[in-house]
Amino acid sequence: KQEVTQIPAALSVPEGENLVLNCSFTDSAIYNLQWFRQDPGKGLTSLLLIQSSQREQTSGRLNASLDKSSGRSTLYIAASQPGDSATYLCAVHRRTDYKLSFGAGTTVTVRA
Amino acid sequence: DTGVSQDPRHKITKRGQNVTFRCDPISEHNRLYWYRQTLGQGPEFLTYFQNEAQLEKSRLLSDRFSAERPKGSFSTLEIQRTEQGDSAMYLCASSLKILFGVNTEAFFGQGTRLTVV
Repeated sequence: KQEVTQIPAALSVPEGENLVLNCSFTDSAIYNLQWFRQDPGKGLTSLLLIQSSQREQTSGRLNASLDKSSGRSTLYIAASQPGDSATYLCAVHRRTDYKLSFGAGTTVTVRA
Repeated sequence: DTGVSQDPRHKITKRGQNVTFRCDPISEHNRLYWYRQTLGQGPEFLTYFQNEAQLEKSRLLSDRFSAERPKGSFSTLEIQRTEQGDSAMYLCASSLKILFGVNTEAFFGQGTRLTVV
């Protein structure tokens, strides 16, 4: 069974500070890892997809790294803004499964 | 392409009633997933379709739950004899399988919020 853990569960930072969100998973035999954003009461918005052969993926102020051997991914958000306040979820697609396995998320608050 | 669409967005029902939710995936996507999410938790997998075939079903899915994807297009999730414990956000996602199991990005809908009173 794939276990996905996200630490910390919550994070509060002042505007402008860089954010570092961590995700760890127990089974390294994965197809890919995906980071999502979720606003309260809403669905999930895909931020970045990293294939298992990649080590990094970037989109604007977002950068995600993947270390498959150690079962870790990190999402960096540069120069945070109040609009970045949301819950961030990572999900792993394991080779032996059809499904995405999710962590519980990190809830981020960026203070103006 | 308008993304993954779910209907309704909100549903309030009395305990014991049946409810049905609909999901319209991105048109060229052959994979469709249903997830359930409760407050403060990540989404939990319920079931998965590739085209019209239901290939996996979670142990979380009791006999009261059934899902279909006729003709490999839209999907429905029905809950019979609803219980208060069924209250949750029900999320649908779709993706495209290409080449030896490689999966493209999964896209989620806005979800259906179910409240059982």
